[in-house]
Amino acid sequence: QSALTQPASVSGSPGQSITISCTGTSGDVDKYNLVSWYQQYPGKAPKLIVYDVNKQPSGVSNRFSGSKSGNTASLTISGLQAEDEAEYFCCSYAGYATWVFGGGTKVTVL
Amino acid sequence: QPQLQESGPGMVKPSETLSLTCSVSGGSITETSYNWVWIRQPPGKGLEWIGRVYLSGQTDSSPSLKSRVSISVDTSRNNFSLKLRSVTAADSAVYYCVRTYATSIHAFDIWGQGAMVTVSS
Repeated sequence: QSALTQPASVSGSPGQSITISCTGTSGDVDKYNLVSWYQQYPGKAPKLIVYDVNKQPSGVSNRFSGSKSGNTASLTISGLQAEDEAEYFCCSYAGYATWVFGGGTKVTVL
Repeated sequence: QPQLQESGPGMVKPSETLSLTCSVSGGSITETSYNWVWIRQPPGKGLEWIGRVYLSGQTDSSPSLKSRVSISVDTSRNNFSLKLRSVTAADSAVYYCVRTYATSIHAFDIWGQGAMVTVSS
């Protein structure tokens, strides 16, 4: 069970859209529509922002959207704002009642 | 909205057992819609799912940690616990206790603030 692969960093200017990829395998991301995304500020606990590939928890901005194609899931942040500067982690169900996370992507707002 | 709070020693010696407890307030741990999870994050690194405990006491755990992990639930105290045996420096991390849905939503929706545990002699 290996960690999902995310780019170490992604940057964009305010107002732009950015996309973070999360690559897994045929045994996790590709097999199950159970990908979630978390936002984490330094020194804070992660916060759920997308679940079941493309669903949003109540109270989360609709500027965050998720999608999946094959073994790669993606998180898009539209209308990038300064407050979006944080680290983002993906997570997928990996079968046999286990879960696997990505290594995290640091988003910088230029 | 319930709150979760981790507690336990901040430092553990190599080869000993790391023990943490997660207290749930503002809600009952016996609510059947939820299961309870431990996740950790080494300094500067990504998240790692450790395992889950069901109300029944049944557990699931990461294959890489399975031989060293025990997770239990105490409904009378409204908390759940983690024990990690034979720790090494690689087990130094922030440990989070987390709520997850039993069936409907497959994600981790409420997190504790995290407890830093350092393994050092």
